[in-house]
Amino acid sequence: GQNIDQPTEMTATEGAIVQINCTYQTSGFNGLFWYQQHAGEAPTFLSYNVLDGLEEKGRFSSFLSRSKGYSYLLLKELQMKDSASYLCAVLDSNYQLIWGAGTKLIIKP
Amino acid sequence: DAGVIQSPRHEVTEMGQEVTLRCKPISGHDYLFWYRQTMMRGLELLIYFNNNVPIDDSGMPEDRFSAKMPNASFSTLKIQPSEPRDSAVYFCASSPGLAGDLYQETQYFGPGTRLLVL
Repeated sequence: GQNIDQPTEMTATEGAIVQINCTYQTSGFNGLFWYQQHAGEAPTFLSYNVLDGLEEKGRFSSFLSRSKGYSYLLLKELQMKDSASYLCAVLDSNYQLIWGAGTKLIIKP
Repeated sequence: DAGVIQSPRHEVTEMGQEVTLRCKPISGHDYLFWYRQTMMRGLELLIYFNNNVPIDDSGMPEDRFSAKMPNASFSTLKIQPSEPRDSAVYFCASSPGLAGDLYQETQYFGPGTRLLVL
C-alpha cells in the first residue's frame, strides 16, 4: 500500500526554527509537495521537490532524499501566523497525489 | 484570477435530503479534484476530472455520491440521500495538470464547503 508518515503535532517557540519530517512509501515517485492549512481554511501550496536536495523559499525550505523516501520542511524565524497544519503529499507513478495526515504546528510566544 | 470558487460555503441539512455542492475551477486549468476532509480521515480524494471527463472516481464512498462536470468552468458534487456521516469539509481544487511538470501539477484549493448533516 501507499503510506505517508508525518508527526501528528509539534510545538515550537516564536523566533525559533522547526523541522517537520515526512517519510513516504509509494508506488513510484514523481515529486513531493508541501501545503500549509490554517484552521478552518483551505490548503495552500508552499513548495515542491522533484530532485534531491534543498529548495529554499524565504523563511521556508524543503528538503528531499528520494533514496531514503524522506523529506522535511524547515521553517525559520517562526511567527505566530505559522501556526497551522502542514501537509506532505507525494505524486506517485500514476501522477496521483497521495496525502499525508498533516502535522499540526503550534507556535508559542 | 479569482481562484477556485465554491458554493455554498456552509450547508446544514437533515438526513435524507439531497445536497449539491458547486465548484468553478481556475480558468485554463484542465484538472478538477473533489476532496473531503474530516478530523478522523484527513484529506481524501473523491474524484477527479481531466478536460471535463471523470478519470478516477474510486474514492467516491458509495452510490449516494455523484459528480458531474458539464463544462470547463463548472462542476457539482451531489449527495443523495445525505447521512450524518457525510458531515465534513468538501474541497474543490484545480490544476493546470501537465504530467511531469510539477509547476503544472500544483493544485489550488477553493475555500471549501462545510457540510453538516443532522
